[in-house]
Amino acid sequence: DVKVTQSSRYLVKRTGEKVFLECVQDMDHENMFWYRQDPGLGLRLIYFSYDVKMKEKGDIPEGYSVSREKKERFSLILESASTNQTSMYLCASSSYSQGYSNQPQHFGDGTRLSIL
Amino acid sequence: GDSVTQMEGPVTLSEEAFLTINCTYTATGYPSLFWYVQYPGEGLQLLLKATKADDKGSNKGFEATYRKETTSFHLEKGSVQVSDSAVYFCALSSGGSNYKLTFGKGTLLTVNP
Repeated sequence: DVKVTQSSRYLVKRTGEKVFLECVQDMDHENMFWYRQDPGLGLRLIYFSYDVKMKEKGDIPEGYSVSREKKERFSLILESASTNQTSMYLCASSSYSQGYSNQPQHFGDGTRLSIL
Repeated sequence: GDSVTQMEGPVTLSEEAFLTINCTYTATGYPSLFWYVQYPGEGLQLLLKATKADDKGSNKGFEATYRKETTSFHLEKGSVQVSDSAVYFCALSSGGSNYKLTFGKGTLLTVNP
């Protein structure tokens, strides 16, 4: 089974801090994703990466950056945390496929981040 | 752009009741369609998928049929159990790459004994 591991289940930080959320996958997947999940808004894509050192902005990248130095690891960085970034953060990975047969994404258990 | 609309929750059913959660979509090209489930305190798990029109995805007694003519992918189960209580997300991925999933807002299902 695919395993996507997020480094923390719960995290509490203060406004202005630089926050790192780590995600590791063990299936040699090319694609990795960061989402945030908020009540009533569902999941929204922050950033994704389709290869080492490659990244693209998702729908809500403002206030975030990412790093992918190794294929198995994808980090989300909050440069200067703010209270409106309090949320559940979900990491996912998927394999690359060509054509229209899309591969599903596999999710970690999430990190519930509170910014005080 | 792509979008997914699923029925508002919460949905509350008694054990062994029939479940339908409606999902409709707007997409360019020929999307693949997915249902994901999120149990309390956990991440999302793939429940089922369909990659072309008239495909039926099925898993754990759940099923959904890709209806291109009505742009729908409704989730059904004939007899729900307490253990099915979770949030269900409909999602699509369009185009030739699988980079992006567009999700609906989720439907909370509670099944009472």
